[in-house]
Amino acid sequence: NAGVTQTPKFRILKIGQSMTLQCTQDMNHNYMYWYRQDPGMGLKLIYYSVGAGITDKGEVPNGYNVSRSTTEDFPLRLELAAPSQTSVYFCASSYSDARGLLAKNIQYFGAGTRLSVL
Amino acid sequence: RKEVEQDPGPFNVPEGATVAFNCTYSNSASQSFFWYRQDCRKEPKLLMSVYSSGNEDGRFTAQLNRASQYISLLIRDSKLSDSATYLCVVTADQTGANNLFFGTGTRLTVIP
Repeated sequence: NAGVTQTPKFRILKIGQSMTLQCTQDMNHNYMYWYRQDPGMGLKLIYYSVGAGITDKGEVPNGYNVSRSTTEDFPLRLELAAPSQTSVYFCASSYSDARGLLAKNIQYFGAGTRLSVL
Repeated sequence: RKEVEQDPGPFNVPEGATVAFNCTYSNSASQSFFWYRQDCRKEPKLLMSVYSSGNEDGRFTAQLNRASQYISLLIRDSKLSDSATYLCVVTADQTGANNLFFGTGTRLTVIP
């Protein structure tokens, strides 16, 4: 029962470097999300996807890009890392039915990626 | 004004104590309410949904007050294992994927 799997768990980047945070889920969920969580702050939505081939911006999308080529995978790309992107990143997934009703709005989270940009 | 506001705590209580957290939300059209638990350096996990009539799950009781726009979580007979941060989560409707709002969390430490 893997659920939502994120890699890597930890990463240190230099300013200006790029990287991709990987996220995969094996629950056949159609909705997937990327959040960031800064110390003492709530989770902020970066990007989300309602299905393969469909992505949309959340509250804090600047500096990030995503793609959703398959139902299972939802990678998050940082092109030019900045110190402001130091954070913990969580990927999550949820399921909605054909009418778009979220199944109890329950989100399942990955274990997170701790990123430091120095 | 923030969508969801919580007292950050910390709440330090002895084992066996009863503790309550409140959370207020700003959007009167909000429809779904949840409490998530987040352990230190771990991901959030659903603790319980909050129903209009209130609901109980063992030592945990959640209540919703739509008129005053707040939800509460009551923990009875606190255990050491209850030490965590409790996140209040509110959604505007059932269909949107981008309208889940998380509070900053209330930190609970249960002391032996």
